[in-house]
Amino acid sequence: DAGVIQSPRHEVTEMGQEVTLRCKPISGHDYLFWYRQTMMRGLELLIYFNNNVPIDDSGMPEDRFSAKMPNASFSTLKIQPSEPRDSAVYFCASSWGQGVGNTIYFGEGSWLTVV
Amino acid sequence: LAKTTQPISMDSYEGQEVNITCSHNNIATNDYITWYQQFPSQGPRFIIQGYKTKVTNEVASLFIPADRKSSTLSLPRVSLSDTAVYYCLVGDTGNQFYFGTGTSLTVIP
Repeated sequence: DAGVIQSPRHEVTEMGQEVTLRCKPISGHDYLFWYRQTMMRGLELLIYFNNNVPIDDSGMPEDRFSAKMPNASFSTLKIQPSEPRDSAVYFCASSWGQGVGNTIYFGEGSWLTVV
Repeated sequence: LAKTTQPISMDSYEGQEVNITCSHNNIATNDYITWYQQFPSQGPRFIIQGYKTKVTNEVASLFIPADRKSSTLSLPRVSLSDTAVYYCLVGDTGNQFYFGTGTSLTVIP
């Protein structure tokens, strides 16, 4: 399997612009996660889906952030409008939830810089 | 969710055995203990998982005492390439998604 695939790998954008991050989970996985990592706050869980349904979005920082999962093989995380404090690495991850202590597989991350 | 506590950082010389302990005093009966490793510029990756006693794989060993209120990740004979952040997670199938601050391990030549 190709693993979790994220795009773009790197993005530099100006404040106020819309940013869309994309993710293709591992085929067959029924959980999908979006994390954000910064030096100050570490690895934060933003939102996760189970069978394409958002289960917990309490980690989404504010209304500027939204996430969708229209089907089992695709998800997006959108920031509109973007701000410099959104600069971070955004990881998408997936897992097979039926096993005990399900293992999470991470993508390589999308490195976002908002100037 | 069971809260975990780990040392913020550790240093070790090459070739030594490294033990990283994680405290999880309120672990629940159904909870498993899972450790992840994160290299710079990469996402975390699974190392090892256990429920009780001892688990060993080709990368590490995990020691869990009978009361399960703590666990110790053991890395045998570390090399420079083991420099990474190590995270301890505790939970069952439905909630083992939350990462703490992790332990930053630096291996010194």
